[in-house]
Amino acid sequence: DAGITQSPRHKVTETGTPVTLRCHQTENHRYMYWYRQDPGHGLRLIHYSYGVKDTDKGEVSDGYSVSRSKTEDFLLTLESATSSQTSVYFCAISGQGQENTEAFFGQGTRLTVV
Amino acid sequence: AQSVTQLGSHVSVSEGALVLLRCNYSSSVPPYLFWYVQYPNQGLQLLLKYTSAATLVKGINGFEAEFKKSETSFHLTKPSAHMSDAAEYFCAVSVFSGTYKYIFGTGTRLKVLA
Repeated sequence: DAGITQSPRHKVTETGTPVTLRCHQTENHRYMYWYRQDPGHGLRLIHYSYGVKDTDKGEVSDGYSVSRSKTEDFLLTLESATSSQTSVYFCAISGQGQENTEAFFGQGTRLTVV
Repeated sequence: AQSVTQLGSHVSVSEGALVLLRCNYSSSVPPYLFWYVQYPNQGLQLLLKYTSAATLVKGINGFEAEFKKSETSFHLTKPSAHMSDAAEYFCAVSVFSGTYKYIFGTGTRLKVLA
């Protein structure tokens, strides 16, 4: 299995509080991604990174920010959590080149905003 | 822009019957295509991938998929369903445009009947 660790695995937080989810990889892959998974929507891209300090928005980025200060860590922050952000969040990584075309996924973080 | 459509959010088959999960994609350039499987409370696991080599791709657990450019399809099949195949399946497309992004379909939940 690809070395991807997400923390925490479960979190319950109150509306309006900031929340940070962490993704840590040991594969030295260049690309990292944050997705959210919701019933009927599949996985939707929130933000992604193509290098240290290089990040960009995905299709559902409103209310989220990210940071990548080291190759191995990609943080997702909910600036002020809302109930609509209750979801399962997945981190993914991918490498470069013809031999590294697929994304590898972490185990997910289940976030509940009450 | 790339997109993926999975026909049928739920599919039921009898044990031993053919599994056919449908995926159609939209891409302006030759894509990479993937099928992932997700078991309950787990992350996504790669089943197989198409990267412009052979159009018939074999994956793990007896699954295979055929890339048909004329039909913009990448349907997943397995000749004989097993109870352990019950899971959710996601089709995804990736195109390199400055960076890699993975766009997922909404998923198909496969139920295997005894």
